[in-house]
This record gives sequence, C-alpha cells and structure tokens, in this order.
Amino acid sequence: QKEVEQDPGPLSVPEGAIVSLNCTYSNSAFQYFMWYRQYSRKGPELLMYTYSSGNKEDGRFTAQVDKSSKYISLFIRDSQPSDSATYLCAMKNSGNTPLVFGKGTRLSVIA
Amino acid sequence: GAVVSQHPSRVICKSGTSVKIECRSLDFQATTMFWYRQFPKQSLMLMATSNEGSKATYEQGVEKDKFLINHASLTLSTLTVTSAHPEDSSFYICSARDRTGGTEAFFGQGTRLTVV
Repeated sequence: QKEVEQDPGPLSVPEGAIVSLNCTYSNSAFQYFMWYRQYSRKGPELLMYTYSSGNKEDGRFTAQVDKSSKYISLFIRDSQPSDSATYLCAMKNSGNTPLVFGKGTRLSVIA
Repeated sequence: GAVVSQHPSRVICKSGTSVKIECRSLDFQATTMFWYRQFPKQSLMLMATSNEGSKATYEQGVEKDKFLINHASLTLSTLTVTSAHPEDSSFYICSARDRTGGTEAFFGQGTRLTVV
C-alpha cells in the first residue's frame, strides 16, 4: 500500500459545482497536511495548510483532516474554469522531513 | 507568500552535455531545498534533499554522480544533470523550506529539460 493514495481522475464538473477532492494515507505519524494546485507545466502552488485534525477555510476552499480515519479532503465551492488544474495532497510528520505527495487529481471545470 | 525562483524554465541540450538548473529563495532563507522530477501526468518524485553547507541526501535509485546538487548558500541550490541523455528529459522542480522551521514548502516554476 502506498503511503498516500489519491484518485488521479480526471474529474470534470460544470462551473459553479462543489468539488470534493480526497486523499487517504497509511502513516499515522503524519501531522501536517497540505494541498497544492499545479497548472500545466508550472510548479505546485500551496493552497491550504492544516496541522492535525480539523477544518480550515480560505475563501472558496475548505480543507478537512480526519486523523482517526486517515482521510483528508479539499472542497472547492462555486468552482470556476480557472480552478482547472491538478490538485496534489501532501503530508509530513514532525521534523525537517520531505513532503509525501499523492498522485494528484486532474480537475476540469467546464464553463 | 514566499517566492522561489527557478531558472531556466526550459532548456534543450544535446546528448552528452551537462545542464545546470538554479533554484533561489528570493525573500527568505532556505535551510533545506528539495529537488523533484515529474513525468507527464505523474506526481512529483523526490530526487534529493539538500541542506545548506552539507552534502545532499539522495533518494534510492537516484544517481548522485549524474545529478549533482550544490547548496552553497541559504538562498541558492543548483542541480546539474551531467552527461545528459534523452531519458533524462523531464520536468525538474525545486522547493525550499523556510529556515524558521515552516513545514510547508514553496516551489519553483519548474524546468522542462529536453535532451536531443
């Protein structure tokens, strides 16, 4: 089993829809959880950062972490065509260790 | 947010030559920088972790003599692909972590390397 599992999609939704992106993980030592957005041929851009369990909201984006289920989610409300990108979940344990990434989910928001 | 500048964004080189990619943190000091490789429609594959002033730690399967990493200052790390071959063609991305101990990493724009 991979440390981080993420459905690669592709996921196609109409403009204005609520998008739900998810990752599961196996390492219970992970404490820091991030979502990155990557446009084609660009470097990933940090969207959301969460420590431990709980919810975090930033504009149209909400990140949820459920450590008991080893499950994290990113919700995008009122999705826009400009949200079309690949979304990567990433996580790490404490200490100066590398991030562990999911495969990324390709999202297309159709106008 | 923090800015990481990666240069060049695209490079085409002949087989057998070497290519250097630079990664700079512009508004913060980066104790640690990471180098990744990404194939089309794939996730990021960590190649090595670079700490300022010390030797890089390479992931299993990554040839340290082929992918030379130098992290001579708190704002600059370089990746040199030596004796490049067509199979080295890929998208290379660096990221940097703030020395104050932030956990998230900030990424460069990536370098698309094509070896012909």
